[in-house]
Amino acid sequence: AQSVAQPEDQVNVAEGNPLTVKCTYSVSGNPYLFWYVQYPNRGLQFLLKYITGDNLVKGSYGFEAEFNKSQTSFHLKKPSALVSDSALYFCAVRDSGSARQLTFGSGTQLTVLP
Amino acid sequence: DAGVTQSPTHLIKTRGQQVTLRCSPKSGHDTVSWYQQALGQGPQFIFQYYEEEERQRGNFPDRFSGHQFPNYSSELNVNALLLGDSALYLCASSWGGGTQDNQPQHFGDGTRLSIL
Repeated sequence: AQSVAQPEDQVNVAEGNPLTVKCTYSVSGNPYLFWYVQYPNRGLQFLLKYITGDNLVKGSYGFEAEFNKSQTSFHLKKPSALVSDSALYFCAVRDSGSARQLTFGSGTQLTVLP
Repeated sequence: DAGVTQSPTHLIKTRGQQVTLRCSPKSGHDTVSWYQQALGQGPQFIFQYYEEEERQRGNFPDRFSGHQFPNYSSELNVNALLLGDSALYLCASSWGGGTQDNQPQHFGDGTRLSIL
């Protein structure tokens, strides 16, 4: 079985400050990890993925994420937050060895305060 | 280059009715997955279609069924609707049919289904 945990329902950060959105996962085999963002009344937009290789992954809009195998984590980060980053963020995992479906976390609402 | 398109945008039904939702994948994609997103929750996988066949299914009852057409578009059918079926239904497309499972899925904006 595969699962994802996003321990924070809500993250607030001031504009210009660094942001972190946390994600931990559980899979039987090697993980494929993804971050998506959802704006109100819209679908999910792909931000970045980790498949293999460098543990630091860079994605769209200045976001990056760090894969930590020992801690089974894949935290989303951005050095300087923008008000326009305010949205709902989802972490997702797929077991590279078996599962075809994505399993999503429950989401973290990010609010960037001006 | 059109992305994933879903129709209709919104739909209101009553308990016991049946509904069909439609999805056109992103150009060049041949694999379609359907997800249910209840209010305040993450998307839950319903099933995935490739080469007009259901390849994998999540933990959803048989009331949920689907179809994929030769042009890769897909339909999601739900029979005997329940109040708990109220949700945003998302379609996602990708390519490779499993041989490129590391590719990200691209999502449409969803169909908001409300059951009265």
